[in-house]
Amino acid sequence: EDKVVQSPLSLVVHEGDTVTLNCSYEVTNFRSLLWYKQEKKAPTFLFMLTSSGIEKKSGRLSSILDKKELFSILNITATQTGDSAVYLCAVSGAGSYQLTFGKGTKLSVIP
Amino acid sequence: DSGVTQTPKHLITATGQRVTLRCSPRSGDLSVYWYQQSLDQGLQFLIQYYNGEERAKGNILERFSAQQFPDLHSELNLSSLELGDSALYFCASSSGRDEKLFFGSGTQLSVL
Repeated sequence: EDKVVQSPLSLVVHEGDTVTLNCSYEVTNFRSLLWYKQEKKAPTFLFMLTSSGIEKKSGRLSSILDKKELFSILNITATQTGDSAVYLCAVSGAGSYQLTFGKGTKLSVIP
Repeated sequence: DSGVTQTPKHLITATGQRVTLRCSPRSGDLSVYWYQQSLDQGLQFLIQYYNGEERAKGNILERFSAQQFPDLHSELNLSSLELGDSALYFCASSSGRDEKLFFGSGTQLSVL
């Protein structure tokens, strides 16, 4: 059974801080790892990392995949109050495009 | 806006009742997924359809069923509802060519 563990469960930082969110996984025949941001309702897609793309960057957000150690990190630099959300990590294995999600990290950015 | 439409947004019902949740995928997407999100369990995969056919099944109870229609919209039927079925139910769609899912805004189900 595929498994995703995220840490920390929650985090409170001040605006301008840099944060690192962690995601470790166990999956049969790894295909990809995805990060989502969930603010109020719908999770919104951030990054997808695969064997052929182990590092992604978009503005202040970046993510790295370590396939050997089976983990990924999501970095957010110069945090803003708008970054406050639950960040979800998910993995997919071979044979299926369904995603197994972790329980998320709740990030709170205070002014 | 992800382009995935879910209705209704909120649903309040009583134990033992049956409800139907509806989902319209993004234009052009052939694959629909249903997920359940509760506070203690996180996002749990229920079932996936691809172009009208069931593709994968997750932790879906026998009291729950789903289908995808020829116009690609999908419905999730929940019957003999229990208090523990109270949760946020998400529909997501994808092209079917990769695992990037786009989520609707969810249906908040409250069973009283």
